[in-house]
Amino acid sequence: SQQGEEDPQALSIQEGENATMNCSYKTSINNLQWYRQNSGRGLVHLILIRSNEREKHSGRLRVTLDTSKKSSSLLITASRAADTASYFCATSLPNFGNEKLTFGTGTRLTIIP
Amino acid sequence: DADVTQTPRNRITKTGKRIMLECSQTKGHDRMYWYRQDPGLGLRLIYYSFDVKDINKGEISDGYSVSRQAQAKFSLSLESAIPNQTALYFCATSDPRQGNYEQYFGPGTRLTVT
Repeated sequence: SQQGEEDPQALSIQEGENATMNCSYKTSINNLQWYRQNSGRGLVHLILIRSNEREKHSGRLRVTLDTSKKSSSLLITASRAADTASYFCATSLPNFGNEKLTFGTGTRLTIIP
Repeated sequence: DADVTQTPRNRITKTGKRIMLECSQTKGHDRMYWYRQDPGLGLRLIYYSFDVKDINKGEISDGYSVSRQAQAKFSLSLESAIPNQTALYFCATSDPRQGNYEQYFGPGTRLTVT
């Protein structure tokens, strides 16, 4: 079963707007990662946030983590056409080591030029 | 050159055939993984290997086997392919020694079983 589920499943916004997508998970985690997948291609790592962190930034990306609600959000500011992709959260569980990831179902983001 | 390569990139095969998907990496990572992705779903872990002598089943290993021929090579086999194994298959690597748990993915193999 999927550990993480992203919301919304699909999102379309105008270029320049901010995009927010959410990830909910079921059990305690060691860390949570976000990945991007351009159509049919391999995933690319975006950012990792540890269970003892609440917020992290990387360029136009901002990730938050709320362990009490078992949820994370990914904010992409000032979106660009090149941000069109699917975005996945992935969690690592305390009993399985940090390297064994469980992926969510993904959010498909479309940036309209 | 890509750090993680997969061959073939596309493959169509018939039910009952044996097929091998290959993954090679030049990153020098010990950890390697095989995932499958189905439409509308995230990636699901098939097998993972922490080094040449350490291979472990993932979430959906039934119907699959793997071989870690060397640190740089990790192959996935379907002994007798069936249509519901039609999917996109990804290999990935990681190196957690510096506390970095990021995984590096290959470009994927699109497998169709008819």
